[in-house]
Amino acid sequence: GENVEQHPSTLSVQEGDSAVIKCTYSDSASNYFPWYKQELGKRPQLIIDIRSNVGEKKDQRIAVTLNKTAKHFSLHITETQPEDSAVYFCAASRSGGSNYKLTFGKGTLLTVNP
Amino acid sequence: EAGVTQSPTHLIKTRGQQATLRCSPISGHTSVYWYQQALGLGLQFLLWYDEGEERNRGNFPPRFSGRQFPNYSSELNVNALELEDSALYLCASSRDGEKLFFGSGTQLSVL
Repeated sequence: GENVEQHPSTLSVQEGDSAVIKCTYSDSASNYFPWYKQELGKRPQLIIDIRSNVGEKKDQRIAVTLNKTAKHFSLHITETQPEDSAVYFCAASRSGGSNYKLTFGKGTLLTVNP
Repeated sequence: EAGVTQSPTHLIKTRGQQATLRCSPISGHTSVYWYQQALGLGLQFLLWYDEGEERNRGNFPPRFSGRQFPNYSSELNVNALELEDSALYLCASSRDGEKLFFGSGTQLSVL
């Protein structure tokens, strides 16, 4: 089955700096890669996703890049703000079909220091 | 539009007992997913229900089971509770099978 590795497990940055979180996946058939943000004591929420036919996607201060050959994808947050502090999870799945299962990485605790 | 709702918020059980957790999906969503979130282990996939059928399950023992009702709500049952079952259990629903919308979870504590 799919295995998703996520690094780093913790990341501390100064407000205004950029943050990068990296993930690798094992199943070459995976074609859907979402990122979820979970603030302390709250539910995970989807912040951005990318499909395998796209190399990069941006939404304001966040962007995701995908390298299918290396089976690697990353989340980039620019101009970080204290409200970006949360646990971020990457995930991978084969979208559609009866075998669908979204596999998550173990998460990255991002702390943005004011 | 109401989000995914889960009950109870907290559940305290003793080892060997059974726990039942409930989930109501967003209206119009037919798929329900259950995840276990234990400290440091991220989100571990438990079960996927769609149109009343179990479609897929993760690497959990058979004492983790569930069902989906005709109104698409779902129950997760955990039998013969063990201490390591203590975790946050998250339910999610989806319309398209991709974007998951999570509930706030049930914190299960096994003493």
